[in-house]
Amino acid sequence: DIQLTQSPSFLSASVGDRVTITCRASQGISTFLAWYQQKPGKAPKLLIYAASTLQSGVPSRFSGSGSGTEFTLTISSLQPEDFATYYCQRLNRYPITFGQGTRLEIK
Amino acid sequence: QVQLQESGPGLVKPSETLSLTCTVSGDSIGSYYWNWIRQPPGKGLEWVGFVYNSGRTNYNPSLKSRVTISVDTSKNQFSLKLSSVTAADTAVYYCAREAHGYVENSMFNWLDPWGQGIVVIVSS
Repeated sequence: DIQLTQSPSFLSASVGDRVTITCRASQGISTFLAWYQQKPGKAPKLLIYAASTLQSGVPSRFSGSGSGTEFTLTISSLQPEDFATYYCQRLNRYPITFGQGTRLEIK
Repeated sequence: QVQLQESGPGLVKPSETLSLTCTVSGDSIGSYYWNWIRQPPGKGLEWVGFVYNSGRTNYNPSLKSRVTISVDTSKNQFSLKLSSVTAADTAVYYCAREAHGYVENSMFNWLDPWGQGIVVIVSS
């Protein structure tokens, strides 16, 4: 199976910071990658699909890029509501797999 | 607006079968893939499998021998059965719709929306 590895696993940042989370695939997956945000006790929420397409209703401070084996999720200016865990997900073939998650906390 | 709601027992005994149902409202269950994903306490997300309205399924190989996902289009519901459960199956179980769409002439898929999740504990 194609594995996804996120880095860092934990990130501490301040409101207003620009942060970047990386997701690396063990094999090329073109742009078949999505990003999700999960807050404690809640279901994951889709942010980005096809590596860089913003889901409707998601703030424009979120952006995604990459193709092949390396992808990034960038939050241009952190807001208090952005502190959460972020997961990348591969959907080019089954079984669908997720990265291990990146926990973003307030500094 | 599509909404998904999981239901079922929150406590299952070891060696028994876990049975959950996801009820879809606001949309027909046709024309989409319907997925189950689980999350053990304090851990990441694991895809369990999907069912299509035709009854076609695809399961995570790690669970394939124990999993059955089925659909009831008349009730707009789909269901998960996981047999011979152990403590390792303790998790929050989510149902989610897999949507498909075109981006720059290529078809992509994604999971949205998700149900709120249901906690299932395996314990005697």
